[in-house]
Amino acid sequence: QQPVQSPQAVILREGEDAVINCSSSKALYSVHWYRQKHGEAPVFLMILLKGGEQKGHEKISASFNEKKQQSSLYLTASQLSYSGTYFCGTERRTGFQKLVFGTGTRLLVSP
Amino acid sequence: GAGVSQTPSNKVTEKGKYVELRCDPISGHTALYWYRQSLGQGPEFLIYFQGTGAADDSGLPNDRFFAVRPEGSVSTLKIQRTERGDSAVYLCASSRAGGGEQYFGPGTRLTVT
Repeated sequence: QQPVQSPQAVILREGEDAVINCSSSKALYSVHWYRQKHGEAPVFLMILLKGGEQKGHEKISASFNEKKQQSSLYLTASQLSYSGTYFCGTERRTGFQKLVFGTGTRLLVSP
Repeated sequence: GAGVSQTPSNKVTEKGKYVELRCDPISGHTALYWYRQSLGQGPEFLIYFQGTGAADDSGLPNDRFFAVRPEGSVSTLKIQRTERGDSAVYLCASSRAGGGEQYFGPGTRLTVT
């Protein structure tokens, strides 16, 4: 039931791009993306509510394919501050409220 | 503005003892969530409040765990007869309404010895 994220870990040089995928075996209503730095709380990045929707701000964007029950997070021209663990949180239906978080992707951006 | 706050930040207790963890959500947020996070894992849902009532407590692992939110603001997670397997970081989050973006507190690291 837990969404599976891929890759499990990725190392980038500053300025490179990355894609993080989140796949669910269940139909989804929404996908939330969070970034968590070591020893800190998860920080909200964005939420995608509709199938096929793509949202983004600055150099971080995401897409949601409702039919495939998948979401992808796109990090372009990565910065050192992007380092951390990325989690997708899935909501199965409106009003269901609770998020089921994925397995996580550890991202390290080096100079 | 103030974010979600949690106290204590760290709690060490002996096996079998009772503990209370407190969460103070963002002012005006009606929805409040408790999650538990083990090392290297994503947050695991425990319970969700809409106002004063527990709308979904399906994530509570057993009847040793209980949470309240008597006035629709501050919430307390209570764990009875703690076990070593309860050791984890307990995260609280709040949102304006159920289903929107959730803002997490810094967590309480619980260690049961």
